[in-house]
Amino acid sequence: GAVVSQHPSRVICKSGTSVKIECRSLDFQATTMFWYRQFPKQSLMLMATSNEGSKATYEQGVEKDKFLINHASLTLSTLTVTSAHPEDSSFYICSARDRDQQFFGPGTRLTVL
Amino acid sequence: QQPVQSPQAVILREGEDAVINCSSSKALYSVHWYRQKHGEAPVFLMILLKGGEQKGHDKISASFNEKKQQSSLYLTASQLSYSGTYFCGTGSSSLRGSTLGRLYFGRGTQLTVWP
Repeated sequence: GAVVSQHPSRVICKSGTSVKIECRSLDFQATTMFWYRQFPKQSLMLMATSNEGSKATYEQGVEKDKFLINHASLTLSTLTVTSAHPEDSSFYICSARDRDQQFFGPGTRLTVL
Repeated sequence: QQPVQSPQAVILREGEDAVINCSSSKALYSVHWYRQKHGEAPVFLMILLKGGEQKGHDKISASFNEKKQQSSLYLTASQLSYSGTYFCGTGSSSLRGSTLGRLYFGRGTQLTVWP
């Protein structure tokens, strides 16, 4: 089956710093990847759609200048949380699209102190 | 655009059956079912693309009623390993011609299976 990796799995940072999260499709090419955010015991909230070679499409209410997305190749998308604050602490999960299906990465737990 | 899932939580004894429902106010192109264990990423269970479609593997199956804009997930003879939170993700028909394939997820149904 399709495998998606994420790095790092866990990150703790100070308020005001930027954090980059990588999402890779390991055994298939993904022209489209998605970034989600999940608070404890909550649903997966779609943040943005990452398209290889073009600008990301952000969901309503998601600040594009705060959550920078780059989809530089067919197997890699990155999410950078800029000037992180404690309210940005969350579980960030990416998924990669393979035909009609989406496969999720293992997630990144971000804690901003 | 978020679908509605019911029930919010289910508690079962091993061997019992459960049904989880997912409904949308918008026309649906696809329904995707996932199971998530605590602290882990969601694991893909199955996708339904056509109205009237029914799928299943092992003792987990699902149906998709396109007309009613709803899907149901059936777990029969539940096992301890079935415990987790089940999410349905829905793709809107309005995006059918698009390559985006965005999914919107329900709030999840927490399933607990006791021995």
